[in-house]
Amino acid sequence: DQQVKQNSPSLSVQEGRISILNCDYTNSMFDYFLWYKKYPAEGPTFLISISSIKDKNEDGRFTVFLNKSAKHLSLHIVPSQPGDSAVYFCAASANTDKLIFGTGTRLQVFP
Amino acid sequence: EAGVAQSPRYKIIEKRQSVAFWCNPISGHATLYWYQQILGQGPKLLIQFQNNGVVDDSQLPKDRFSAERLKGVDSTLKIQPAKLEDSAVYLCASRPDGRNTQYFGPGTRLTVL
Repeated sequence: DQQVKQNSPSLSVQEGRISILNCDYTNSMFDYFLWYKKYPAEGPTFLISISSIKDKNEDGRFTVFLNKSAKHLSLHIVPSQPGDSAVYFCAASANTDKLIFGTGTRLQVFP
Repeated sequence: EAGVAQSPRYKIIEKRQSVAFWCNPISGHATLYWYQQILGQGPKLLIQFQNNGVVDDSQLPKDRFSAERLKGVDSTLKIQPAKLEDSAVYLCASRPDGRNTQYFGPGTRLTVL
């Protein structure tokens, strides 16, 4: 039962353009959503989060959008940089409970 | 502020052997988690501690996996005996009280031959 889904295993974007990573969820009890970035041989690094009471949260080049009716969230990176190349995981939780992760999207930003 | 520490970083063992992983969470974080990440998948929770008590171990294969956090600080995860399918990265994370964000250590990559 995949409660959090990232349907795109990979994404390739040119440097300076926008990267959009998508995530869908099925559990309506989720009230907090997070994006983590993971480089090879490192643990996931927290990137940005959003509470279910909001529909947008912005931090520098990173913006997360939440559409509760569609059970969909997205991460926008503008402008994309080569250092953003990594695997991005979407995660969700209910009442500060355990995180449920998606399978990840590998982002490659090329010059 | 020091991050979550884990050791060893890599471990190779043969099936049926035993192995143990260690985690030291961020200072002051009462909640500690162990996750298993199999190649190509997202991390999956094995066990959650609040101080030295177990909150959730529903996904822990208790016939071979065990974990403890005796003094409410660092934690040990053990596998005995290991199987081929236990090959994965074992991640430890901690979370401060009142916050939703979990902070992860670098992980231990286990290879079972």
